[in-house]
Amino acid sequence: SQKIEQNSEALNIQEGKTATLTCNYTNYSPAYLQWYRQDPGRGPVFLLLIRENEKEKRKERLKVTFDTTLKQSLFHITASQPADSATYLCASHNAGNMLTFGGGTRLMVKP
Amino acid sequence: DAGVTQSPTHLIKTRGQQVTLRCSPKSGHDTVSWYQQALGQGPQFIFQYYEEEERQRGNFPDRFSGHQFPNYSSELNVNALLLGDSALYLCASSLMGVTDTQYFGPGTRLTVL
Repeated sequence: SQKIEQNSEALNIQEGKTATLTCNYTNYSPAYLQWYRQDPGRGPVFLLLIRENEKEKRKERLKVTFDTTLKQSLFHITASQPADSATYLCASHNAGNMLTFGGGTRLMVKP
Repeated sequence: DAGVTQSPTHLIKTRGQQVTLRCSPKSGHDTVSWYQQALGQGPQFIFQYYEEEERQRGNFPDRFSGHQFPNYSSELNVNALLLGDSALYLCASSLMGVTDTQYFGPGTRLTVL
């Protein structure tokens, strides 16, 4: 079955460093992947979408890569700030507008 | 421009009861999807409504049902509640045919005792 996986362990980094989160998928080839941010008790907020024919996408301090050979997407936050602390979700589109989410990775940025 | 709204914010029910959750999509959107998010996990797709019909369904039992109204708002109904139904229920709206971002509401926190 289709699976999308993220590191369930929390990532702790120091303010100013680059945070890198990983998303791996198996048993299918998504046409695109999305990354969302979710704060406790709130709904996910869309951050970036990357298509399979795009190697890299950037938005301000955010960067996403898509490696179809490794079946992996990496999500980077440069010059991280304590306000970046949240859970980050990777998701892929299936038929229609149905999203399949990974379990999310919690990021903690310490001042 | 109002985003996706959901009601109620929190709900406490007991096992065996029934619950109805409501969602109003973002202005201009015609498709509503529902997700269940257990604590510490990613959202799981329940079903999607478009043109007042269920278009897609995830791996959820028939106890989960829904409805979409002519104004595109939607309801999620869960019958015979189980303890395992305790979760954050998220509504997401989008525009059919536009394979782009989905906008999520704040969610309804359901606790089943």
